[in-house]
Amino acid sequence: EVQLVQSGAEVRKPGESLKISCRTSEDDFVTYWFAWVRQMPGTGLEWMGVIFPYDSDTRYSPSFQGQVTISVDKSISTVFLEWNSLRASDTALYYCAKLAVTTFPHAFDMWGQGTMVTVSA
Amino acid sequence: IQMTQSPSSLSASIGDRVSITCRASQAISDTLAWYQQKPGKAPKLLLYGSSRLEIGVPSRFSGSGSGTDYTLSISSLQPEDFATYYCQQYDGHHITFGQGTRLDIK
Repeated sequence: EVQLVQSGAEVRKPGESLKISCRTSEDDFVTYWFAWVRQMPGTGLEWMGVIFPYDSDTRYSPSFQGQVTISVDKSISTVFLEWNSLRASDTALYYCAKLAVTTFPHAFDMWGQGTMVTVSA
Repeated sequence: IQMTQSPSSLSASIGDRVSITCRASQAISDTLAWYQQKPGKAPKLLLYGSSRLEIGVPSRFSGSGSGTDYTLSISSLQPEDFATYYCQQYDGHHITFGQGTRLDIK
């Protein structure tokens, strides 16, 4: 069964950097788009951006452009979400998700278990 | 494209039929998905293309709509259906979610 397995919970101080990961066993990893979705405590879902591992084509939501970096390591079938300087407002649960088809945009048919990021002094 | 879901919360009983609506700020050509999220769990895809049921999703879930207005219906509520539901549009170059509808037991 194909799965998305995310890295574990993280606690950081404001201003610190962080990179979280999402590994998949999907055989056709490079031909699907993978996204990151934020869920702040007690709130709804926000799409942050997507990446296409085949050529590293990356698209960002205007709300997150310049705030985070999405990247991929094809050799280990893993996508990443990175911050250079965290803020308290980055405290949230972050999901990676796979698009259901090989074209962007579309619905997400598979989700990781989520990575909780806590930013506190 | 902004997505406005209504109601924000809903109370219903086992066996009831319920509907949740989602309105887009512009026409989205049926590029609309619905998700179910239970506490502490990742969202689960229910329908895409406005009315296409994802494999394994019970047939009591259905979707309809066109243009800017879309509806998720659950024909006969089961205990496992009490959760939060989100719509998501995927028209154009970006993706946006509705703010969610919490469905709980009356």
